[in-house]
Amino acid sequence: QVTLRESGPALVKPTQTLTLTCTFSGFSLSRSGMCVSWIRQPPGKALEWLARIDWDDDKYYSTSLKTRLTISKDTSKNQVVLTMTNMDPVDTGTYFCARYIGTVGLDYWGQGALVTVSS
Amino acid sequence: DIQMTQSPSTLSASVGDRITITCRASHNITTWLAWYQQKPGKAPKLVVSKASNLPSGVPSRFSGSGSGTDFTLIISSLQPDDFATYHCQQYNNYPYTFGQGTKLEIK
Repeated sequence: QVTLRESGPALVKPTQTLTLTCTFSGFSLSRSGMCVSWIRQPPGKALEWLARIDWDDDKYYSTSLKTRLTISKDTSKNQVVLTMTNMDPVDTGTYFCARYIGTVGLDYWGQGALVTVSS
Repeated sequence: DIQMTQSPSTLSASVGDRITITCRASHNITTWLAWYQQKPGKAPKLVVSKASNLPSGVPSRFSGSGSGTDFTLIISSLQPDDFATYHCQQYNNYPYTFGQGTKLEIK
């Protein structure tokens, strides 16, 4: 059974760095073809794809956010970490992690973590 | 970046109706298109992959079609559980991009 769960602070101040952790089970990120992505959704708005990390440590980022994002993995802990620097109120929203398989898409999602950026 | 445009933004329908949601890509994405269903306060759920493939457990009243730049999601006979927001996403080119969503509401 594949599960993912996001964790991190619910509130961050403007200019601070956000660190979110995705802890997963039911698959191994060291297995060929396995990937984990981060996606966010501002309240009442569309989904926005942020980043992806692959089993071989290849990394991909949103064009508009790539200077602020870093994605990394700890295979031994079954975790993927996303950091986003210089947080702004417009970054408020729910942040999801999801498993990605190239032929399928995002097939399993975490429940999401609501992050509010406010002073 | 590839732009994904869904229509309509909102769709009102009744149980038993057949509905169609469309998604247009700004560039050719062949068939690397997924559809997700999202209910309020919940994570999206994959309902169609690679334009027309239904993951295990997705009811057969859902179907997807299209290739290149134009895609459709059809629900053949709406059930109460189907009222939700539907998102398309291309995964042909980075960055992967989503449509703006289509809210399917009860008429």
